[in-house]
Amino acid sequence: AQKVTQAQTEISVVEKEDVTLDCVYETRDTTYYLFWYKQPPSGELVFLIRRNSFDEQNEISGRYSWNFQKSTSSFNFTITASQVVDSAVYFCALSEPYNAGNNRKLIWGLGTSLAVNP
Amino acid sequence: EAGVTQFPSHSVIEKGQTVTLRCDPISGHDNLYWYRRVMGKEIKFLLHFVKESKQDESGMPNNRFLAERTGGTYSTLKVQPAELEDSGVYFCASSQELGMVETEAFFGQGTRLTVV
Repeated sequence: AQKVTQAQTEISVVEKEDVTLDCVYETRDTTYYLFWYKQPPSGELVFLIRRNSFDEQNEISGRYSWNFQKSTSSFNFTITASQVVDSAVYFCALSEPYNAGNNRKLIWGLGTSLAVNP
Repeated sequence: EAGVTQFPSHSVIEKGQTVTLRCDPISGHDNLYWYRRVMGKEIKFLLHFVKESKQDESGMPNNRFLAERTGGTYSTLKVQPAELEDSGVYFCASSQELGMVETEAFFGQGTRLTVV
């Protein structure tokens, strides 16, 4: 069965600290996609990143970085020099392709609520 | 460009009543998804439309839920009759096809449904 585990329910940090959100997944398939979404207080789910299972390169986007390790089935998300605006719930999700090259329904973790305090 | 919009943002209804949620996807997006998050649990897939056709409705909880997407534009999700366990946040998402690859899904702000 496919499963996504975000073991950290809530994290609280002080502004400018670095913080890592953990994501561990389970799947039997060799081809899949991994995602991170952010849910700010306004409620919508904001796409942050999609990574396919064949690309293990780490990615950096500004203060955000992602570490994908197939050996440990993990796709962790780090925010460097956190800011108050980073406060949100962050979801990790797994998608298995309906067929080659496509991604369909998402399987979600429970989310990690991040509070960045001034 | 407008994003995915959902109506209403909140709905409080009594058990046994009917509620209809609406989702307007991003223009040109053929793929439309419904998800639900019950408090304290994971976001769960409900169903997937490609244009007006139901591609996958394996996540629909039971026959009290009916989703439609007439004309392949907006979609509605009707719950009739509503039960207490239907309470949660209902998310809609849309995505487009670029060649053989589907792009990432863009989500609306969700509809918070409370059944009392």
